[in-house]
Amino acid sequence: AAGVIQSPRHLIKEKRETATLKCYPIPRHDTVYWYQQGPGQDPQFLISFYEKMQSDKGSIPDRFSAQQFSDYHSELNMSSLELGDSALYFCASSLRTVDQETQYFGPGTRLLVL
Amino acid sequence: GQQLNQSPQSMFIQEGEDVSMNCTSSSIFNTWLWYKQDPGEGPVLLIALYKAGELTSNGRLTAQFGITRKDSFLNISASIPSDVGIYFCAGQPGAGSYQLTFGKGTKLSVIP
Repeated sequence: AAGVIQSPRHLIKEKRETATLKCYPIPRHDTVYWYQQGPGQDPQFLISFYEKMQSDKGSIPDRFSAQQFSDYHSELNMSSLELGDSALYFCASSLRTVDQETQYFGPGTRLLVL
Repeated sequence: GQQLNQSPQSMFIQEGEDVSMNCTSSSIFNTWLWYKQDPGEGPVLLIALYKAGELTSNGRLTAQFGITRKDSFLNISASIPSDVGIYFCAGQPGAGSYQLTFGKGTKLSVIP
């Protein structure tokens, strides 16, 4: 079965640079979630989109922005990168339902800021 | 914000033993999910629970959604070496809020 695709898988950036992470949801899924996971930590919710509109917003820094496109893929744009942004970034997708929504995670993008 | 208390933090068990881990919350969740994560990889869904009291199995895994909607447990029977990894519980509030809140994880080590 098709899974969530994320690119790139690994990314190295310098401080103050920008980065763009991409997520391609499971076919027919209409909702995308972004999570950040620091070393030894649990994933923390950043932001989500349903039908190309922002749905929920979590602890996403103002330096980050995201959007969902007409083909349902999503991009997380990160500017003025800081050392503390080094983490695993996961995208999850789901088919939005009232009471049985399940999120499926991609393999993640490992971002290292030097 | 909502917090999930997951225990134990880590476990060392012999191959063939059964394992039990649980999550509790001060808030109600409409959905409980259990994921397994290998180092550097994305969380893989093990079991999804949607109704209070629901007991669901997936092979050697069994999970239950607590009656109060504030807790869930995961049992693994007859553990094998490939069960090694970090297990996370995650709660979804529902009622228009779909973001997941994760527990801190249970790191499982299996001794052959």
